[in-house]
Amino acid sequence: KNEVEQSPQNLTAQEGEFITINCSYSVGISALHWLQQHPGGGIVSLFMLSSGKKKHGRLIATINIQEKHSSLHITASHPRDSAVYICAVTQYQLIWGAGTKLIIKP
Amino acid sequence: DAGITQSPRHKVTETGTPVTLRCHQTENHRYMYWYRQDPGHGLRLIHYSYGVKDTDKGEVSDGYSVSRSKTEDFLLTLESATSSQTSVYFCAISEQSPSEYGYTFGSGTRLTVV
Repeated sequence: KNEVEQSPQNLTAQEGEFITINCSYSVGISALHWLQQHPGGGIVSLFMLSSGKKKHGRLIATINIQEKHSSLHITASHPRDSAVYICAVTQYQLIWGAGTKLIIKP
Repeated sequence: DAGITQSPRHKVTETGTPVTLRCHQTENHRYMYWYRQDPGHGLRLIHYSYGVKDTDKGEVSDGYSVSRSKTEDFLLTLESATSSQTSVYFCAISEQSPSEYGYTFGSGTRLTVV
C-alpha cells in the first residue's frame, strides 16, 4: 500500500464546477504539499500546510491531521485549471502521491 | 523561474554513453534534489544534497551519481546510460529539509536513451 493515496486518479468536469481532490496518508508528517503540474511539464508548489486551511484565489486546501487526510478544492473551475495535481507529504523527505489528472471542459 | 535552471532541456543519447545533467540555482538554498518522473510512478527521489560535497542516496539511486562542488550547482551523472533511464528528470531546491518553506522545481530535462 502506498503511503500517500490520491483520489480520484482522473477527473473530468465542466467549466464552473466545484472540484475536490482527496489525499490520504499513512505516516506521521511535518507538512503536506499540494503541487500542480501543467501539460508542459513544469511543477509549481500551490500550498504547504500542517494544520487547518489555506486559500489562494479559487484554490482551497484543508488538512485533518487526526484523520490523516487532506483535500484540495477548486471553485468556479476553468479550462486553464486542467493539470495534474500532486499531493506530497514531508516525513524525512518528500513522499509523493501518484497525482490526479484534472480536465476541465469548456 | 529564474531561481533554478536545468540543462539541457532535452537530450537523446545512446545506450552505454555517459550523460551529465546540470541543476543551477541562484537562491543560495542549502538543499538540492534530483527526481525522475515516469508514468505510473509519480516523482521518485534519486539523490539529494544537504550542502557542498554532502550528498545522500534516494530510493532509486542505482546507476546514478551526483556531485556538488558549489552551493549553486548539483550535477547528476549517468555513468553508462540504459534505456530504463529514459525519463523526465526534475531538480528541486529548498531552504530546509524536512521543508517548512516549500520546494522550487526546475523545468525538467527530458532524457531519451536509445
